[in-house]
Amino acid sequence: AQSVTQLDSQVPVFEEAPVELRCNYSSSVSVYLFWYVQYPNQGLQLLLKYLSGSTLVESINGFEAEFNKSQTSFHLRTPSVHIRDTAEYFCAVRSGMGAQKLVFGQGTRLTINP
Amino acid sequence: EPEVTQTPSHQVTQMGQEVILRCVPISNHLYFYWYRQILGQKVEFLVSFYNNEISEKSEIFDDQFSVERPDGSNFTLKIRSTKLEDSAMYFCASSGPMGTSGGHEQFFGPGTRLTVL
Repeated sequence: AQSVTQLDSQVPVFEEAPVELRCNYSSSVSVYLFWYVQYPNQGLQLLLKYLSGSTLVESINGFEAEFNKSQTSFHLRTPSVHIRDTAEYFCAVRSGMGAQKLVFGQGTRLTINP
Repeated sequence: EPEVTQTPSHQVTQMGQEVILRCVPISNHLYFYWYRQILGQKVEFLVSFYNNEISEKSEIFDDQFSVERPDGSNFTLKIRSTKLEDSAMYFCASSGPMGTSGGHEQFFGPGTRLTVL
């Protein structure tokens, strides 16, 4: 069975500061990895995903995540956050062996201070 | 841009009552899902549905729960006799054909907040 741990429940940062949201997973099989974002009063939106190939994946809004198989991590980072990035961020894993369900971490609330 | 929609946005019900949560997945998607998030807790998988049958379900999805695709567009979650602990945000999701890059992305609706009194 897979599990996902997001080590930080809340991360307050100042605008334009760099930030890293941590995600570790456990799985006995190959996995696909995802970061979803939930803006206030909205549903979950896919931010980026790792399926195969390059271990560094990027989103269109300045975020990137790196799949590290040896450390079983998929941390999300950006060099400069903006007020509009205020949201809850969820890391999720899906087995690469046919199961379709996503297993989510507990979420990290990113709060941007001006 | 196509999106998953859910109705109602908020449902309040009395314990023991039946509720039906409705979802309209993206029109060309083949896989449908329900997840829930109890306040302050993780988003949890409930069930996946493909080709008019359940393909996977979690331990949470007991006999009190059922899903249905009554027509070509709607996907519903029914809770037969609600309990206080069923209070949560319920998310519907859908995804395209497996084997394509789009098949790996699940598109989520905005959720239905269920409150059981």
